[in-house]
Amino acid sequence: GAVVSQHPSRVICKSGTSVKIECRSLDFQATTMFWYRQFPKQSLMLMATSNEGSKATYEQGVEKDKFLINHASLTLSTLTVTSAHPEDSSFYICSATRTSPGDTQYFGPGTRLTVL
Amino acid sequence: AQTVTQSQPEMSVQEAETVTLSCTYDTSENNYYLFWYKQPPSRQMILVIRQEAYKQQNATENRFSVNFQKAAKSFSLKISDSQLGDTAMYFCAFMRHSSGNTPLVFGKGTRLSVIA
Repeated sequence: GAVVSQHPSRVICKSGTSVKIECRSLDFQATTMFWYRQFPKQSLMLMATSNEGSKATYEQGVEKDKFLINHASLTLSTLTVTSAHPEDSSFYICSATRTSPGDTQYFGPGTRLTVL
Repeated sequence: AQTVTQSQPEMSVQEAETVTLSCTYDTSENNYYLFWYKQPPSRQMILVIRQEAYKQQNATENRFSVNFQKAAKSFSLKISDSQLGDTAMYFCAFMRHSSGNTPLVFGKGTRLSVIA
């Protein structure tokens, strides 16, 4: 099966700092990567859709200047939480999919962000 | 917009027994895909089973099978011979067909506990 990695798995940072989360497809080329956020005991909420070589598409209510997404290659997308605040503390999950429409999304293991 | 409803927040089943998790969805699309994902305590999202809407035959994967009723917009998951390792959060998800890649729309999830 397809493997997606995320780094770091956990990060604790001080309020006001920026944090970068990497999402990599290890054994396939991912045309599209998605970023989700999951609060405790809740479902996954889509934050943005990232296509290689183009600007990310953000969901309504997600601040694009706060959550910077870059998808510079077919195997790497990054999410940068800028000027993090305690309310940004959450579990962030990425998924990746190949070129074919309808292809299954494969998920990374997630990143737990804690902002003090 | 599409919506996915999982009406059972929590369920439990005895080991070796069979359990069925419910999922309904709402869409005006005719061509789409449905998924069941499992999220164990590790929080890694794992694909359980996938169904293409144009296929009448219900998908099966070992102990996991679905009952796909397109007219009723219902997509239930049956787990046979339940095992302790099946304890997890189960999410039903919808993805519309497109020439590009489209995000998943998740239900709120059903927490399944398998009891020894």
